[in-house]
Amino acid sequence: NAGVTQTPKFRVLKTGQSMTLLCAQDMNHEYMYWYRQDPGMGLRLIHYSVGEGTTAKGEVPDGYNVSRLKKQNFLLGLESAAPSQTSVYFCASTPLAGGRGYTFGSGTRLTVV
Amino acid sequence: KQEVTQIPAALSVPEGENLVLNCSFTDSAIYNLQWFRQDPGKGLTSLLLIQSSQREQTSGRLNASLDKSSGRSTLYIAASQPGDSATYLCAVSKNNDMRFGAGTRLTVKP
Repeated sequence: NAGVTQTPKFRVLKTGQSMTLLCAQDMNHEYMYWYRQDPGMGLRLIHYSVGEGTTAKGEVPDGYNVSRLKKQNFLLGLESAAPSQTSVYFCASTPLAGGRGYTFGSGTRLTVV
Repeated sequence: KQEVTQIPAALSVPEGENLVLNCSFTDSAIYNLQWFRQDPGKGLTSLLLIQSSQREQTSGRLNASLDKSSGRSTLYIAASQPGDSATYLCAVSKNNDMRFGAGTRLTVKP
């Protein structure tokens, strides 16, 4: 019962480097989300997808891109990492819109130096 | 823009105490409100979800209430245990937009 799996769990990047975070779910969920969590703040939505081949911007999309080529995978890309992108990134999936049935991954801790 | 605030930011209580965590939100046009638990280094686990038409939900020692008109919710934990130590976050949803509070970090001392 894997649920939502995020890779990698930790990463240190230098300013200007690029990377991709992978989120994989095995529950056949339609909706997938990427959030970031910063100290003293709640989770903030970066991008989301309502189905395979779709993506949409959330509250803080700048500096990030996403792709959902397969239903089970949602990729988050940083093209040119900045120290302001140092954060913990969480992926979530749900079968329904509106907040029900969310399953979260365990997070990716990213540090940009 | 929806703002979600949780008070207090941190709370420490002795084992066995009943306690209340507070959540307030600025826009009452929500579909539902949800309370999550987050353990250190882990993702979030949903505890209770209250639809906008409901007033409260209960699960075991947990009871969550919702007063949509005043923009408030409370999470009541009865007979707290050390295993309840975690960060508790509330979140309000509308469409695909779920807004989170910053959380209350709870420590229950044996």
